[in-house]
Amino acid sequence: GQNIDQPTEMTATEGAIVQINCTYQTSGFNGLFWYQQHAGEAPTFLSYNVLDGLEEKGRFSSFLSRSKGYSYLLLKELQMKDSASYLCAVRDRSSGGYNKLIFGAGTRLAVHP
Amino acid sequence: NAGVMQNPRHLVRRRGQEARLRCSPMKGHSHVYWYRQLPEEGLKFMVYLQKENIIDESGMPKERFSAEFPKEGPSILRIQQVVRGDSAAYFCASSNSEKLFFGSGTQLSVL
Repeated sequence: GQNIDQPTEMTATEGAIVQINCTYQTSGFNGLFWYQQHAGEAPTFLSYNVLDGLEEKGRFSSFLSRSKGYSYLLLKELQMKDSASYLCAVRDRSSGGYNKLIFGAGTRLAVHP
Repeated sequence: NAGVMQNPRHLVRRRGQEARLRCSPMKGHSHVYWYRQLPEEGLKFMVYLQKENIIDESGMPKERFSAEFPKEGPSILRIQQVVRGDSAAYFCASSNSEKLFFGSGTQLSVL
């Protein structure tokens, strides 16, 4: 089966760095995604990793290790507006190659002044 | 370029009524996905459609739920004889590549 684990809640201080971890189990890994979701709003795409390593995009970076079934999302220079839920999602080859993503429950991040 | 449009944003129904949720994908996108999100839970895949075809409905309950994506017009998720347990946020997403673009969702409340 498929299973995705991420912490339920995290808190951090404005200006700091926070790392949100995600571990997954899947039979045919075919990509990992991070989405940001503010309360009552649409999830918005942050990053996509299919190969091992770090993908950097401005203040946000995402890392993947396929052998460990592990990813993290790194947020630097935190701002109050970064308070949101961060969703880790995996695409599995058994889905037939389309975007049938399996989502974790999300990590609710609270940024304090 | 308008994003994925869903309506209504909020829908209130009494038990036993029907709920119709609409989704217009992004311009140029021909793949539509429906997800359901319960409070404190992750998004759960329901169904994947292309124009006039249901490709994968493995996440959709066998009874009372149906989805369509006609040649013309929006995709429709239909829930017949709603029950309280159907109360959730229903998100539609569209894609033409690896990225999924989500709409703002429809919050269904069943009284």
